[in-house]
Amino acid sequence: KAGVTQTPRYLIKTRGQQVTLSCSPISGHRSVSWYQQTPGQGLQFLFEYFSETQRNKGNFPGRFSGRQFSNSRSEMNVSTLELGDSALYLCASSVLPGQGLTGELFFGEGSRLTVL
Amino acid sequence: AQSVTQLGSHVSVSEGALVLLRCNYSSSVPPYLFWYVQYPNQGLQLLLKYTTGATLVKGINGFEAEFKKSETSFHLTKPSAHMSDAAEYFCAVTEGDAGNMLTFGGGTRLMVKP
Repeated sequence: KAGVTQTPRYLIKTRGQQVTLSCSPISGHRSVSWYQQTPGQGLQFLFEYFSETQRNKGNFPGRFSGRQFSNSRSEMNVSTLELGDSALYLCASSVLPGQGLTGELFFGEGSRLTVL
Repeated sequence: AQSVTQLGSHVSVSEGALVLLRCNYSSSVPPYLFWYVQYPNQGLQLLLKYTTGATLVKGINGFEAEFKKSETSFHLTKPSAHMSDAAEYFCAVTEGDAGNMLTFGGGTRLMVKP
């Protein structure tokens, strides 16, 4: 069974540009969550989607947005990139929302974004 | 609001020695606690979890952790370190209504010396 797939794995952008990251959850998983990992701030929750609806949102500016498609695939977008947006962006999926409570949350390998 | 503190951003042990990674949490309600491991250039993998019931939980690769409510701690241990245990370890907490919104500690990088 394939795991969570994130694309692209690595990318470089310049300040002011925008970026879109993609996440394909494990087959049958309908909930997708996104996390940002930086050396300074650590791992921080961005948002969670289920049935194409955002269920929860972390404390990030409006430049960070996301969406989920009917096939459960999710994308996140960061507009007007800043140097501080350089990070590893991790996607995690579960069958249903809330399964993070029981550890049934599976992470992808991440998309590493570098902003120059 | 919940929070997690991992004491020691770097821990170094010799192969065969005891591994002890410390985690303290803050939560206003009974917490759900986790330890995740991250190998270089990879995502997070669940090591073990505490939800309810037995306070000593066993995970993969010989790791275990004990939930101590009075100390608000969930320290991770392994009796004998192996070179393959070198990685970064994250303690995380969530609460009943937060679901997949995990709050992570800052992480502890474990180094294993031969």
